[in-house]
Amino acid sequence: GQQLNQSPQSMFIQEGEDVSMNCTSSSIFNTWLWYKQDPGEGPVLLIALYKAGELTSNGRLTAQFGITRKDSFLNISASIPSDVGIYFCAGPAGGTSYGKLTFGQGTILTVHP
Amino acid sequence: EAGVVQSPRYKIIEKKQPVAFWCNPISGHNTLYWYRQNLGQGPELLIRYENEEAVDDSQLPKDRFSAERLKGVDSTLKIQPAELGDSAVYLCASSLPGANVLTFGAGSRLTVL
Repeated sequence: GQQLNQSPQSMFIQEGEDVSMNCTSSSIFNTWLWYKQDPGEGPVLLIALYKAGELTSNGRLTAQFGITRKDSFLNISASIPSDVGIYFCAGPAGGTSYGKLTFGQGTILTVHP
Repeated sequence: EAGVVQSPRYKIIEKKQPVAFWCNPISGHNTLYWYRQNLGQGPELLIRYENEEAVDDSQLPKDRFSAERLKGVDSTLKIQPAELGDSAVYLCASSLPGANVLTFGAGSRLTVL
């Protein structure tokens, strides 16, 4: 099936630093979603992207829908301790617009105060 | 407004025992999903419902897993008998029809001994 590859697998940064992570696929996606999962909780949607080239911000978070439609990027500026968690990219499988979401394996973010 | 509610949050059972998980989606969300999340991985879809109809159950291990959503609202996921490899977090999510933005519950963590 389709796979989403996230990079890096984990990051250890100091508070205040900026963070960049990405997600790539061998197939075209029509929608890219970025979720964050805190320990013991379900994933929570951060940003949704619907158009190639789209750049969307949510507070200190900025995500981009790659022009090739095979990748997406998430940036976090001026990280704080509560940014700790696992960040997942996701998209609807099979070239559809909705339904079965495929998730990446996640990027684990640790922020040192 | 309450989010997606799942119970129990934690369950520890011995192998070959049955177990059931319950989910109450967001009011008005006709689409309901059950995902399984293994340790260190992203969620993987088990089954998707549109109202009371299971429209995608291709990844549900039907020999031991079953699900129902009799009145198109609450849903139950059952495993009988459980195996060691079933240890995982079982996530329920819901969405509006035709939408690809899912709201997840906190999950039910299953440990099979």
